[in-house]
Amino acid sequence: EAGVAQSPRYKIIEKRQSVAFWCNPISGHATLYWYQQILGQGPKLLIQFQNNGVVDDSQLPKDRFSAERLKGVDSTLKIQPAKLEDSAVYLCASSTYREETQYFGPGTRLLVL
Amino acid sequence: QKEVEQNSGPLSVPEGAIASLNCTYSDRGSQSFFWYRQYSGKSPELIMFIYSNGDKEDGRFTAQLNKASQYVSLLIRDSQPSDSATYLCAVISNTGGFKTIFGAGTRLFVKA
Repeated sequence: EAGVAQSPRYKIIEKRQSVAFWCNPISGHATLYWYQQILGQGPKLLIQFQNNGVVDDSQLPKDRFSAERLKGVDSTLKIQPAKLEDSAVYLCASSTYREETQYFGPGTRLLVL
Repeated sequence: QKEVEQNSGPLSVPEGAIASLNCTYSDRGSQSFFWYRQYSGKSPELIMFIYSNGDKEDGRFTAQLNKASQYVSLLIRDSQPSDSATYLCAVISNTGGFKTIFGAGTRLFVKA
């Protein structure tokens, strides 16, 4: 069974630029999560989708971050404009349902200069 | 008060010893509890999950849950150098929706 796919794996941008991340969950997983993990901290949930509907986005900085999950499969997370403090690893995870084990992708390491 | 709290460590134990990792949570509506292991530069991977009070064993790992005390722990028996990693406690609360909250993690070092 293929795991969660993410791209790109690394991204370096300058502040005020925009960036987009892509995630393809495990086939059949209804729930998809985007996390931000800053060095030395635990993952922070940014947004959670159940199929193509948003379940929770309370910690998503909506003035600069946006996410969508069209057709209930893959998802994109966008940052526009980026700030220095957005430098982090962005993890995508999926699960069969919202209370079940989450499987993580390899992450995208973002550096904002 | 942090919603999910872990001792950041590092916790250092000799090879073959028992490592004990602890986690407390603030939301009494929490229903599902997970331990993930994260090696440096890698993504979290599931070690164990537990839903009911008591102990749950899986090989060298035992998860313990006490909902009255809002406490969950992970014991690693016969610790190996390959167990050296950061251990993340994750809690899913159904208060206001099924939201996953991770602790900051405890770094474990197993000395050979």
